[in-house]
Amino acid sequence: DSGVTQTPKHLITATGQRVTLRCSPRSGDLSVYWYQQSLDQGLQFLIQYYNGEERAKGNILERFSAQQFPDLHSELNLSSLELGDSALYFCASSPSGTGGAYGYTFGSGTRLTVV
Amino acid sequence: AQKVTQAQTEISVVEKEDVTLDCVYETRDTTYYLFWYKQPPSGELVFLIRRNSFDEQNEISGRYSWNFQKSTSSFNFTITASQVVDSAVYFCALSEANDYKLSFGAGTTVTVRA
Repeated sequence: DSGVTQTPKHLITATGQRVTLRCSPRSGDLSVYWYQQSLDQGLQFLIQYYNGEERAKGNILERFSAQQFPDLHSELNLSSLELGDSALYFCASSPSGTGGAYGYTFGSGTRLTVV
Repeated sequence: AQKVTQAQTEISVVEKEDVTLDCVYETRDTTYYLFWYKQPPSGELVFLIRRNSFDEQNEISGRYSWNFQKSTSSFNFTITASQVVDSAVYFCALSEANDYKLSFGAGTTVTVRA
């Protein structure tokens, strides 16, 4: 158990729907990062939150949004889902705003299947 | 801009053979961090090692060893006496000191046959 909790583990939904993925960071970590792993794009950085504030954005679609709550858990909202959104979504956490020095702890991922 | 290249897409070996995974990175920063992660068939990302740019000492952990060479911008990973349980996708990744994200290479799929 890495200490980063992601729910649900699996999600199957239809095109056009909206889903919410949840991540609880490791105790004491202030930063949460979201990554998408798809077959054709590999592991892509989506967005980072640090202590409730958005810190950095990567290749995140406008249909996707995220937030980090006062208790530091984060949610990734995916709307108007398309078949191409099917992927493994990872959450990672780190103690500071820049994770390199302290490392990143990854959750076990949420596998999203859009049908 | 960061870039991590793992030129080997797939490697297949017979059990007990050694296997070396190549990783070449690009960065303009003098302070950066390099990582290796393992992704077994179950899908989770398992942390293997973190190395900062000022520490070029090679590291050995059991059957795993890492060779960091700044002169060639490489951070290669060797599995000695491979086992079937080593079958997985291995990712090399880079984070610059003042950056937020971890940039991953495309990954190398290692298959160890019994």
